[in-house]
Amino acid sequence: EVQLVESGGGLVPPGGSLRLSCAASGFTFTGHSMSWVRQAPGKGLEWVANINQVGGVRYNEDSVKGRFTISRDNAENSVYLLLTSLRAEDTAIYFCAKEQLGVGFDHWGQGTLVTVSS
Amino acid sequence: EIVLTQSPATLSLSPGERATLSCRASQSVNNYLAWYQQKPGQAPRLLIYDASNRATGIPARFSGSGSGTDFTLTISSLEPEDFAVYYCQQRFNWPPYTFGQGTRLEIK
Repeated sequence: EVQLVESGGGLVPPGGSLRLSCAASGFTFTGHSMSWVRQAPGKGLEWVANINQVGGVRYNEDSVKGRFTISRDNAENSVYLLLTSLRAEDTAIYFCAKEQLGVGFDHWGQGTLVTVSS
Repeated sequence: EIVLTQSPATLSLSPGERATLSCRASQSVNNYLAWYQQKPGQAPRLLIYDASNRATGIPARFSGSGSGTDFTLTISSLEPEDFAVYYCQQRFNWPPYTFGQGTRLEIK
């Protein structure tokens, strides 16, 4: 059974940093790209970043603006998202999602809440 | 960036009725469009990929159609557990992957 478990969310002041983690199990981690998708309270879904099997990365530059960094550790079956220079508008649930080639986001974690507030 | 516009914003129907949800893209996405269902407090769940293919374990009452810029998700006969928010998403031209703003399907 595929499992994605996010952690690392919390309350952080504006300008602060946070590192989110997603532990994956139940599938061949090295065979899949992974993404982070966020959802502000009461709002829709917004794709944030993608990392492919060998570490190539892509970002939603309009929302990230060079402040976030996605990475992965294939030995640990984990993907990470480093959030820096956080703003109130970054407040959201951050979901980790597994990408299936030719399909889309076929499995999602339950999310971790990031709250940016003083 | 490809913008996806979903309609209606809210759809009020009764169990047993047919639901038709629309997603329109600002430019062609070929058939690289997916539909997701999200219930309160839960993660999204993939329903349909490549416009018309049901994901694993998705009941046959869910179907998708369309290509290019206009897409439809149909639920043939609503079950109580189908009342949720539905999102479309394109993977044709990225980054960024983009989602529609969602359609809330509520019980009438």
